[in-house]
Amino acid sequence: AQTVTQSQPEMSVQEAETVTLSCTYDTSESDYYLFWYKQPPSRQMILVIRQEAYKQQNATENRFSVNFQKAAKSFSLKISDSQLGDAAMYFCAYRSPVTQGGSEKLVFGKGTKLTVNP
Amino acid sequence: GAGVSQSPSNKVTEKGKDVELRCDPISGHTALYWYRQSLGQGLEFLIYFQGNSAPDKSGLPSDRFSAERTGGSVSTLTIQRTQQEDSAVYLCASSLIQGANYGYTFGSGTRLTVV
Repeated sequence: AQTVTQSQPEMSVQEAETVTLSCTYDTSESDYYLFWYKQPPSRQMILVIRQEAYKQQNATENRFSVNFQKAAKSFSLKISDSQLGDAAMYFCAYRSPVTQGGSEKLVFGKGTKLTVNP
Repeated sequence: GAGVSQSPSNKVTEKGKDVELRCDPISGHTALYWYRQSLGQGLEFLIYFQGNSAPDKSGLPSDRFSAERTGGSVSTLTIQRTQQEDSAVYLCASSLIQGANYGYTFGSGTRLTVV
C-alpha cells in the first residue's frame, strides 16, 4: 500500500519570505498523481497544486511551486512571498491511476502546520 | 449547489447513541468520498461511491459504520453505538468523473464529539 510521509509537524516563516514543506511517499507504481491541500481553520480542504508523475516539469501555481523528484519519491511544496493568509495545515496526498474495477482514493500524510509571522 | 455541503457542522452525542452525518455533493459530481480526520492525524479514507457501481467500503473501521448514497446524490454516513474513539472530523468530497487527474472538492466537515 502507498504511504505518504510529512516529516515536519510544524513550520514557521516570516511574512514575504519563502518556505518549503517536505513530503515523501512510497509506491511501486510508475504512474500516479500528487497533490498539496491547504486546510485553514474553516476545515475545508483546498487544493493548492497537483502534479502528474509522468510529467517531468514541476507544477507551478502563482506563489506555489513543487519540486518533484520521482526517483527519490519526493514532492516538496515551496511557498514564495508568504502571506498571513497562507497560515494553515498543509497536507500532501497521493492518488493511484484508475485501474479496471479499481477505486480512487487519496492517501494523505499527517500534515504540516504552517505559521506565518508578521 | 456551488460547493459540497455537510451537515451538521458540529455534533455532540452520548456514547452508545447512533448518529447520521449528511453530505450534499456538487451537482453533477458522480464520485463521492468520506474521510475521517482525527486530532493530529491526516485524513483516513472511509468509503467511496462512483455512479451506480458498488461502493468501495474498504476503509470503514468497523461494522458500526455504514453509508449510503441515494439517487446518486446525497450521502449519509451512519455510526451506530458511537464510541469515544469515533470523535473526529468527518469530511466529504466529490469529484466530477472517475479518472480525472484533479483533486476533489471537499466540504467543511462535521466535527463529531462523543461524550
